[in-house]
Amino acid sequence: DVKVTQSSRYLVKRTGEKVFLECVQDMDHENMFWYRQDPGLGLRLIYFSYDVKMKEKGDIPEGYSVSREKKERFSLILESASTNQTSMYLCASRFEWGNTEAFFGQGTRLTVV
Amino acid sequence: AQSVTQPDIHITVSEGASLELRCNYSYGATPYLFWYVQSPGQGLQLLLKYFSGDTLVQGIKGFEAEFKRSQSSFNLRKPSVHWSDAAEYFCAVGSNAGGTSYGKLTFGQGTILTVHP
Repeated sequence: DVKVTQSSRYLVKRTGEKVFLECVQDMDHENMFWYRQDPGLGLRLIYFSYDVKMKEKGDIPEGYSVSREKKERFSLILESASTNQTSMYLCASRFEWGNTEAFFGQGTRLTVV
Repeated sequence: AQSVTQPDIHITVSEGASLELRCNYSYGATPYLFWYVQSPGQGLQLLLKYFSGDTLVQGIKGFEAEFKRSQSSFNLRKPSVHWSDAAEYFCAVGSNAGGTSYGKLTFGQGTILTVHP
């Protein structure tokens, strides 16, 4: 079975902190994604990566950065956390071919106080 | 730019009734289309996908979806809903264009399904 593992299920951070969300996949997928999920807004793409060290901005990249130093690991970084970044964060991965589905992690619920 | 619209935020049906969840997409060519389901407290699970060929695709749990190019739609259907189908449903479109956007997946806003006994 494909496994996408997010390092934390719940996180509480203070405003202004630098926050790292980690995601690891075990299927040698080329593509990895970070989404945030908010009620009524669905899943909004923050960043995606199509190869090691390669990244593309999604629809809401402001306030976030990413790192992909190894194929299996994709990190989301909140440079200076703010309360409006309180959300559920979902990581996903898939093969590079467009006709394959994405597999999702269980999500990290981040609260910024 | 690709986009997905799910017009219905919340749908309520009675158990045993039929179901149709709407999905409209915007994409320049024939897209890759997906439906996912998220049960409370769970991760997203793929229900079905469309890439090419037969426009009516079958998925898991008795769901099906029909791709209609002329309407830019990919509606999800089930003939008889079970209480366990209560969940949030997401439609997604995938890019099949070349370049760095290849593989990009865009989701809709989601539809919450409530099932009454």
